[in-house]
Amino acid sequence: AQSVSQHNHHVILSEAASLELGCNYSYGGTVNLFWYVQYPGQHLQLLLKYFSGDPLVKGIKGFEAEFIKSKFSFNLRKPSVQWSDTAEYFCAVNPYMYSGGGADGLTFGKGTHLIIQP
Amino acid sequence: GAGVSQSPSNKVTEKGKDVELRCDPISGHTALYWYRQSLGQGLEFLIYFQGNSAPDKSGLPSDRFSAERTGGSVSTLTIQRTQQEDSAVYLCASRQGLSNEQFFGPGTRLTVL
Repeated sequence: AQSVSQHNHHVILSEAASLELGCNYSYGGTVNLFWYVQYPGQHLQLLLKYFSGDPLVKGIKGFEAEFIKSKFSFNLRKPSVQWSDTAEYFCAVNPYMYSGGGADGLTFGKGTHLIIQP
Repeated sequence: GAGVSQSPSNKVTEKGKDVELRCDPISGHTALYWYRQSLGQGLEFLIYFQGNSAPDKSGLPSDRFSAERTGGSVSTLTIQRTQQEDSAVYLCASRQGLSNEQFFGPGTRLTVL
């Protein structure tokens, strides 16, 4: 079974600061990796995903993440945060299917509550 | 286009009662998932449907929990003899064919008194 660790449970930053949220996973095979965001009062939305290819992936709203296989990590970054980035961020993983599709349910980290102060 | 919808948005019930939660996936999405989000446990996978069959029920926490999907579309999650620890937000997600992306609904907040 796979597991996901998010090391920062609460992060408080000022606007324009740079952001990096850590995510490490544990799984013996190849995985699909995701970052989801949950804005206050809204449902989970996909920020970005990695399946294969270039380990640096870019998502919506200026977010990016880098898959480092040797470190089993998929850290989320943004060079300059905005007040509107205040939200809960979840890293998730499921086993990679060579035939296509990610059939298994997602395993989520506990989430990081990000607060951006204006 | 329409996203995943869930009903009711909120449900308050008394301990020992049965509840049914409904999920309407995005049209044409063949895969459907149920998750539970609670303060103590975070987001947990419950069950996965491919069409009408459920190849993975590994996340259901007890035999009080069951789910079905009919017509390859709507799914119902049933919790029998609810307990206070069942209080959580129950999320549904759907996925299209060979895509790896799951789209989430707004959830049903269940409170067991």
